Amino acid sequence: GESVGLHLPTLSVQEGDNSIINCAYSNSASDYFIWYKQESGKGPQFIIDIRSNMDKRQGQRVTVLLNKTVKHLSLQIAATQPGDSAVYFCAENISPGNTPLVFGKGTRLSVIA
Amino acid sequence: SAVISQKPSRDICQRGTSLTIQCQVDSQVTMMFWYRQQPGQSLTLIATANQGSEATYESGFVIDKFPISRPNLTFSTLTVSNMSPEDSSIYLCSVERTGIGYTFGSGTRLTVV
Repeated sequence: GESVGLHLPTLSVQEGDNSIINCAYSNSASDYFIWYKQESGKGPQFIIDIRSNMDKRQGQRVTVLLNKTVKHLSLQIAATQPGDSAVYFCAENISPGNTPLVFGKGTRLSVIA
Repeated sequence: SAVISQKPSRDICQRGTSLTIQCQVDSQVTMMFWYRQQPGQSLTLIATANQGSEATYESGFVIDKFPISRPNLTFSTLTVSNMSPEDSSIYLCSVERTGIGYTFGSGTRLTVV
């Protein structure tokens, strides 16, 4: 299939290590943030989200950290697996609902077995 | 999550022709969003489609080039008109549902030759 992340920044990690993917967002009024995973030939898939009244949220093997002071978002993946290899996008929204998401630039995660 | 069926999944088209992409959702939604993902890039919003009214286009996108229909609450089409090789991209539709969040179709991979 087509390569989604040919020109995107790449993060290479060893299988079993932790991964940290960073994102700088632009709108200080954004209230809602989402991380998506996109594998080649597929649409973006939801990983985890966080509202602006929180600074940390944990899921299964994933943690999202939000620093509103510097408008920074990060995704931490614990014990990275080969199946985690994909392009990861952050997205922001002023108010979840009938308004669209604005996407960040994306990072390609490559897991070395 | 909402099930979104997007057709065609891919196409190769001659320059100067038009392609209509269909997006069918398994439940009623107020807004449907159309995105473009150019090779190696992130997702860029083309327009927001609200049933019963004209779509709202983002800067850089115009109705003559990307006409959108939204005949009911479960269906929308995006047409890429008078195509050129620069229109080669992945086109994605997205919806938001309360309690489920934002989901995406699998995308239409368009190559213009």
